[in-house]
Amino acid sequence: DIVMTQSPDSLAVSLGERATINCKSSQSVLYSSNKKNYLAWYQQKPGQPPKLLIYWASTRESGVPDRFSGSGSGTDFTLTISSLQAEDVAVYYCQQYYGNPQTFGQGTKLEIK
Amino acid sequence: QVHLQQSGPGLVRPSQTLSLTCAISGDSVSSNNASWNWIRQSPSRGLEWLGKTYYRSKWSNDYAVSVKSRITINPDTSKNQFSLQLNSVTPEDTAVYYCVRLNWGQGHVGPWGQGTLVTVSS
Repeated sequence: DIVMTQSPDSLAVSLGERATINCKSSQSVLYSSNKKNYLAWYQQKPGQPPKLLIYWASTRESGVPDRFSGSGSGTDFTLTISSLQAEDVAVYYCQQYYGNPQTFGQGTKLEIK
Repeated sequence: QVHLQQSGPGLVRPSQTLSLTCAISGDSVSSNNASWNWIRQSPSRGLEWLGKTYYRSKWSNDYAVSVKSRITINPDTSKNQFSLQLNSVTPEDTAVYYCVRLNWGQGHVGPWGQGTLVTVSS
């Protein structure tokens, strides 16, 4: 199985500042045929299902604010929130869907400093 | 717009069978572009993919090794839905269960169903 490791486990950032979450996979999730990384980022708030923010490592889901961006390739990926808003407080997960089974990171809890 | 609606009981007795259904609107369970997945979430195990069903000229399933001996995922083309059955449940199977669509060719994961908290308890 591909192991997904996020860092840090928790993060406190001031409103308006940048937040950065990292995700590392134990194997590459880059599909050579289409040069796409099968890596997604989610935001989850209490009592709700995970909300897709980013897929293919850097493609923003429709309706997601442009302060959210994804980058990286192969085994190392980053989710960046350029200017933290109060409504961004949540737990963030990465997921690889390149291999079977799909696997998830352990989550990063984002709070306001 | 695709929507997934889950249904099923929230309480299952130990050793019994957990059964959930996911009704699809806006897409077809027989789509050649999608797979239909079940994922669960618990504090102890985090987010855990359980399995999927998909149609590519014929029906196929993939299951997680951790539940392979106990799980069945079936499509129901007449109702455009798919189901999860997990046999011989224990309290370790207590979790929020989600159904999820994956379009691998477009790289898109979603939507997710609303989630069903299933508690295994006597």
